[in-house]
Amino acid sequence: NAGVTQTPKFQVLKTGQSMTLQCAQDMNHNSMYWYRQDPGMGLRLIYYSASEGTTDKGEVPNGYNVSRLNKREFSLRLESAAPSQTSVYFCASSEFLGNTEAFFGQGTRLTVV
Amino acid sequence: GENVEQHPSTLSVQEGDSAVIKCTYSDSASNYFPWYKQELGKRPQLIIDIRSNVGEKKDQRIAVTLNKTAKHFSLHITETQPEDSAVYFCAASKGTYKYIFGTGTRLKVLA
Repeated sequence: NAGVTQTPKFQVLKTGQSMTLQCAQDMNHNSMYWYRQDPGMGLRLIYYSASEGTTDKGEVPNGYNVSRLNKREFSLRLESAAPSQTSVYFCASSEFLGNTEAFFGQGTRLTVV
Repeated sequence: GENVEQHPSTLSVQEGDSAVIKCTYSDSASNYFPWYKQELGKRPQLIIDIRSNVGEKKDQRIAVTLNKTAKHFSLHITETQPEDSAVYFCAASKGTYKYIFGTGTRLKVLA
């Protein structure tokens, strides 16, 4: 039982490049999330998906897009990376939206130069 | 909008002492309050949670208390050990709604 798996673990991008962060969960959870974590800022929600087929903006969605590919997978895309997007990104899932334990992936450390 | 304030941002305690971290939430409809521990370089993991119909919950050295009237909840760690050193996040949610996280507390347990 792998839980929440996200790839890659590390990535360096040049300003203006694009990339997709992948996330998959094997717990049959309905809800999935993408957070970014910056020093002193805690966990800030970028986008979330309450259930398969739906996505919604969180606190800091600018510069990002998401796709809920199926119930298991939720990807995050940076279309034109900027240095301000240097951060650690976490994918998470929960059985339902809020109100139940969230399980986090191992994180992706992204550096934009 | 919804907000969760967490204090202190850093906390240093001597090994064996107790540590208390406090969070205040803004939305009175919030009814689920989890606490996550994040060790250096690792993912956040749930350590304890409480629902609004309960005032206190304990799990070995960890306890959480909830005051719905004042809209605040606290994490209590007793007999702290070096392995308790980590960043702790509180969160609040209401029904089928996303979590709102606090900004985290870095706990250092000094040997």
